[in-house]
Amino acid sequence: EAGVAQSPRYKIIEKRQSVAFWCNPISGHATLYWYQQILGQGPKLLIQFQNNGVVDDSQLPKDRFSAERLKGVDSTLKIQPAKLEDSAVYLCASSFYQEQYFGPGTRLTVT
Amino acid sequence: AQSVTQLDSQVPVFEEAPVELRCNYSSSVSVYLFWYVQYPNQGLQLLLKYLSGSTLVKGINGFEAEFNKSQTSFHLRKPSVHISDTAEYFCAVRKGAQKLVFGQGTRLTINP
Repeated sequence: EAGVAQSPRYKIIEKRQSVAFWCNPISGHATLYWYQQILGQGPKLLIQFQNNGVVDDSQLPKDRFSAERLKGVDSTLKIQPAKLEDSAVYLCASSFYQEQYFGPGTRLTVT
Repeated sequence: AQSVTQLDSQVPVFEEAPVELRCNYSSSVSVYLFWYVQYPNQGLQLLLKYLSGSTLVKGINGFEAEFNKSQTSFHLRKPSVHISDTAEYFCAVRKGAQKLVFGQGTRLTINP
């Protein structure tokens, strides 16, 4: 069974630029999550989708972050414009029942 | 809101020694508890989970954890560690259908 796929694995941008991350969940998983993991901290949920609807986006900085999950399968997370404090690993996860399966993450460095 | 406290940010141990990574959470009412491991430059992998039933939970790679409701703890243990166990370990809690909340992580370093 293929795992959660994410791309790119690494991205370096300058502040005020925009960036997008892509995630393809495990086939058949209706729930998809985006987490932000700042160095030295645990992952923090940014947004949760159930199929293509948003369940929880309470911690998503909506003035600069956006996410979509068209057709209820893969998803993109966008940051525009990026700030220095957005430097982090962005993890995508999907779940079928109680267990979440994580992708390898995208390491973003904002300079 | 739920919160998770991992009491040690770093734990160094010698190979083949036992280890315990400590985790406390804020509420004992209907919670689900998880331990994840993160190897360098990788995503998180589930080690074990407590949903209900027996308070002693066994996971992969020889790890186990015990749910202690009275002390609101879910400590992770392994009787004999290997170099390959070097990683970051995260405790996480979820109350019902609410979001998963992670602790700050414990970096386990195994010395030969």
